[in-house]
Amino acid sequence: DVKVTQSSRYLVKRTGEKVFLECVQDMDHENMFWYRQDPGLGLRLIYFSYDVKMKEKGDIPEGYSVSREKKERFSLILESASTNQTSMYLCASTSGQIYNSPLHFGNGTRLTVT
Amino acid sequence: DAKTTQPPSMDCAEGRAANLPCNHSTISGNEYVYWYRQIHSQGPQYIIHGLKNNETNEMASLIITEDRKSSTLILPHATLRDTAVYYCIYTGANSKLTFGKGITLSVRP
Repeated sequence: DVKVTQSSRYLVKRTGEKVFLECVQDMDHENMFWYRQDPGLGLRLIYFSYDVKMKEKGDIPEGYSVSREKKERFSLILESASTNQTSMYLCASTSGQIYNSPLHFGNGTRLTVT
Repeated sequence: DAKTTQPPSMDCAEGRAANLPCNHSTISGNEYVYWYRQIHSQGPQYIIHGLKNNETNEMASLIITEDRKSSTLILPHATLRDTAVYYCIYTGANSKLTFGKGITLSVRP
């Protein structure tokens, strides 16, 4: 069965800390995505990557960066966490034929920045 | 950005068909329509997708209008476990896979 694993289910960090959210997929997928989800706003795309070392900005990249050194791992980095980055973060992946390949999501990391 | 329009919420009775509408008037010829659902505290789950023809799988049916500007997801016999947020999306020109707010389906006993 396909699997997208996010390293933490819940995370509490302090303002100003550097935060790493990790995502690993075991499906040899080329494309990986990071979304954040907030009440009333749906899922908003932060960054995505279509290959190792490649990255593209999504709709809300400000305050975030990403790293894709290996195909199976896509990391979201909050350089200096702020309280407005308190949110649910969802990672997803899909195969190379992005038009005709469903997204597989992890179960999310609920980040609280205090 | 690829945008779809869905009503914010709807409900249906358990055992009846749930018909969830979606407008995607800016869809282009090679873009697929996808439906996902999200049950509280889990990641979204893929349901079904299609290009032009109607599609059916073990979970649902997808009806796409001839002009492809709208679609309907049909859950033929809704159960309480189908209560969730349902997202309709299509791939944008830059493959951003943008989600909207979705539609909250409440199935009542």
